[in-house]
Amino acid sequence: SQTIHQWPATLVQPVGSPLSLECTVEGTSNPNLYWYRQAAGRGLQLLFYSVGIGQISSEVPQNLSASRPQDRQFILSSKKLLLSDSGFYLCAWSVGRGTDTQYFGPGTRLTVL
Amino acid sequence: GQSLEQPSEVTAVEGAIVQINCTYQTSGFYGLSWYQQHDGGAPTFLSYNALDGLEETGRFSSFLSRSDSYGYLLLQELQMKDSASYFCATGAGSYQLTFGKGTKLSVIP
Repeated sequence: SQTIHQWPATLVQPVGSPLSLECTVEGTSNPNLYWYRQAAGRGLQLLFYSVGIGQISSEVPQNLSASRPQDRQFILSSKKLLLSDSGFYLCAWSVGRGTDTQYFGPGTRLTVL
Repeated sequence: GQSLEQPSEVTAVEGAIVQINCTYQTSGFYGLSWYQQHDGGAPTFLSYNALDGLEETGRFSSFLSRSDSYGYLLLQELQMKDSASYFCATGAGSYQLTFGKGTKLSVIP
């Protein structure tokens, strides 16, 4: 069966510090991978998605970046965090094109102080 | 682009039936899906409608009318554990999903 892992679960970082969040998927090949951010009590904002190794599409211009060094690994990074980067970061995967079924990881709650 | 509208909050009594509506405007449409998210948790997939009509999965059902650009999620025999946020979403045949802003369902005794 497929499993998606995210770590860490919670993170408190000072403004201006770097960020690296990692997501890995097990039990599937060639998944589409996604990074979302969710502010408290709000909807899901798609940040990046990837349909293959080294292929990254950015949905929202910001100080975040994403990389996909391996087929089932997706990394979200920042060189300098802003207060506005606080939120709940969710990684998700799907297979194929045109599918409305995405499977989410447990999320990372990031607080920037 | 895609936009989906759903009520921000709904309150219902334990044991009752509740309907959460979703209207959409899309440049292309393939189907409508629903996700559940408990406080502090990750969204989980509930259902997907590609064709008009009702899809039933246990206590949950989802309905789609493509001609009306409208769908709803129906929850029967409400339980306290159904208190959560519910999101409708559509992919328009692409790799991305566009989510509605979510409906917070509160189930009261």
